[in-house]
Amino acid sequence: DQQVKQNSPSLSVQEGRISILNCDYTNSMFDYFLWYKKYPAEGPTFLISISSIKDKNEDGRFTVFLNKSAKHLSLHIVPSQPGDSAVYFCAASARLNNDMRFGAGTRLTVKP
Amino acid sequence: DAGVTQSPTHLIKTRGQQVTLRCSPKSGHDTVSWYQQALGQGPQFIFQYYEEEERQRGNFPDRFSGHQFPNYSSELNVNALLLGDSALYLCASSEGGGGYNEQFFGPGTRLTVL
Repeated sequence: DQQVKQNSPSLSVQEGRISILNCDYTNSMFDYFLWYKKYPAEGPTFLISISSIKDKNEDGRFTVFLNKSAKHLSLHIVPSQPGDSAVYFCAASARLNNDMRFGAGTRLTVKP
Repeated sequence: DAGVTQSPTHLIKTRGQQVTLRCSPKSGHDTVSWYQQALGQGPQFIFQYYEEEERQRGNFPDRFSGHQFPNYSSELNVNALLLGDSALYLCASSEGGGGYNEQFFGPGTRLTVL
């Protein structure tokens, strides 16, 4: 069952512009959300997270927004850089569980 | 400080065979989780080991089993391999377990079943 969904397989943006990656979830028990970035031949790398008690978390060029009522979160990258080109995974977990559920990923391409 | 390491990098097996994948966690981490990532999909949770015991398991058959050693390293065993087991197997380590703790991933083992 796909409890975490990333409906856009790919996204292409121009360098310097904003990249917005979206993620939806169905399980209302999820209360912690993470974004991972993955380069080819490497494992996913943690990027940023947000707890369900917040609606925004910012770290440098990366901001994650959480809309609990819509069960939706998004990752904003401003400004986008060519080095940001990678596959981005959204993940979610619940306090009572020890696993993380991942979306299928969105491949971001930032063009110079 | 070495991060999470996995071996082997690549592996080719035939249907019905058995395979063992290995993972060494990041220094200071005591919890190891295993994930299967099929082509075009996100990682799917297989199970997590903490204090040498399986703490939680995802929706995978009993053909998938694991072990954690006193030094916190871990093995993933898959018996009676099927073609559908072909995937990238990722190991992630964390401190104290739980989905709240940041997990550090290894580069993965690419398993091909022919």
